[in-house]
Amino acid sequence: GAVVSQHPSRVICKSGTSVKIECRSLDFQATTMFWYRQFPKQSLMLMATSNEGSKATYEQGVEKDKFLINHASLTLSTLTVTSAHPEDSSFYICSAPLPRPTGNTIYFGEGSWLTVV
Amino acid sequence: DAKTTQPTSMDCAEGRAANLPCNHSTISGNEYVYWYRQIHSQGPQYIIHGLKNNETNEMASLIITEDRKSSTLILPHATLRDTAVYYCIVRLYMEYGNKLVFGAGTILRVKS
Repeated sequence: GAVVSQHPSRVICKSGTSVKIECRSLDFQATTMFWYRQFPKQSLMLMATSNEGSKATYEQGVEKDKFLINHASLTLSTLTVTSAHPEDSSFYICSAPLPRPTGNTIYFGEGSWLTVV
Repeated sequence: DAKTTQPTSMDCAEGRAANLPCNHSTISGNEYVYWYRQIHSQGPQYIIHGLKNNETNEMASLIITEDRKSSTLILPHATLRDTAVYYCIVRLYMEYGNKLVFGAGTILRVKS
């Protein structure tokens, strides 16, 4: 079964508004989670590393003030797209490493489709 | 992380074995080879990983060459539901916070 869950799976929002996507680790604690975005027919692009209890680490070129990440607990990380624009429409995916003894293998959520109109 | 090279696409007949190659000539001694796949509009699914020995699980087999510069993922009896993009990634195994960096992957089309 799934070990990482995302919500919502699909969301439509108006330009200028903010939208929050949740990522939960199921039955395990994740002090680190990763957020990706994926445009149609492209590969996954890592946006940021979410760290429980501290600031997220953003990849080069990702606006930290636009994509707010909060890792408030050991099982929940949230990505908030602020002042959304149509070009932010994309598939957003989170992931988390399942701790040893599985060797920190990373598992992914189902993904969240964001459409900004 | 070491970079990987995969063919852009491959076709496979249903019921036959699908052999997906991956080159990772700059892999370091403590990096593992991971395989994931992504079915359309879903999050990536973990398949298998290995260091230097061949590995097998319920989904697939992973064959790594002795020099570790390349590997092959084998789906023994491909079905239509195996049609997906397959990603080969190298990553430090025991580093908890170590991220996965995705390349373009291989589009596998299983045909009846």
